Amino acid sequence: QVQLVQSGAEVKKPGSSVKVSCKASGGTFSSYPIIWVRQAPGQGLEWMGEITPIFNRVNYGQKFLGRITITADESTSTAYMELSSLRSEDTGVFYCARDRGYCSGGNCYAYWGQGTLVTVSS
Amino acid sequence: DIRMTQSPSTLSASVGDRVTITCRASQSISSWLAWYQQKPGKAPKFMIYKASILESGVPSRFSGSGSGTEFTLTISSLQPDDFATYYCLQYNSYPRTFGQGTKVEIK
Repeated sequence: QVQLVQSGAEVKKPGSSVKVSCKASGGTFSSYPIIWVRQAPGQGLEWMGEITPIFNRVNYGQKFLGRITITADESTSTAYMELSSLRSEDTGVFYCARDRGYCSGGNCYAYWGQGTLVTVSS
Repeated sequence: DIRMTQSPSTLSASVGDRVTITCRASQSISSWLAWYQQKPGKAPKFMIYKASILESGVPSRFSGSGSGTEFTLTISSLQPDDFATYYCLQYNSYPRTFGQGTKVEIK
């Protein structure tokens, strides 16, 4: 069974950066896309971006362009999401999720990490 | 970007009720739509993909339908465990986009 374990909670100052990790165990890491999703307090889910490690192919949400970098380290089966120029509105829980494959031609983001709370405060 | 609009935003229902949530896309997404259930403090749970295919282990009282721009999630007989927030997600094109969520609460 695939498990995604994310790094711990962070408190950051406005203008700084945060890098959240997502370590996968079970299954084949490189072949399946991994997405990052933000959830502000009391709000809905927001797709931030995606990486397919085997192709090093990345897509980002327009809202985060210029501030987000998603990478993957195949040697440790770990994906990373770095968000820079943090502001208070970036406060929220960040999730990673992985495609499970064999999904009738599309994507099934079925495996989710436990979430990482990032608080941006002066 | 494709905009996903869910309705209603909140739904009050009783155990045993049949409930339907709608998700509309701003342009055709074929059948590339998934549904997620989220409970407070928990990660979303993957429920349905390709608009109507139930993920393994999801109770059969859940069903999805639709194609193109209009989709529905139906719970045939609401159970206590089903009170949660539900999100649709389009994966027809990048960027992927979620609906704003529908909270199903106890009446």
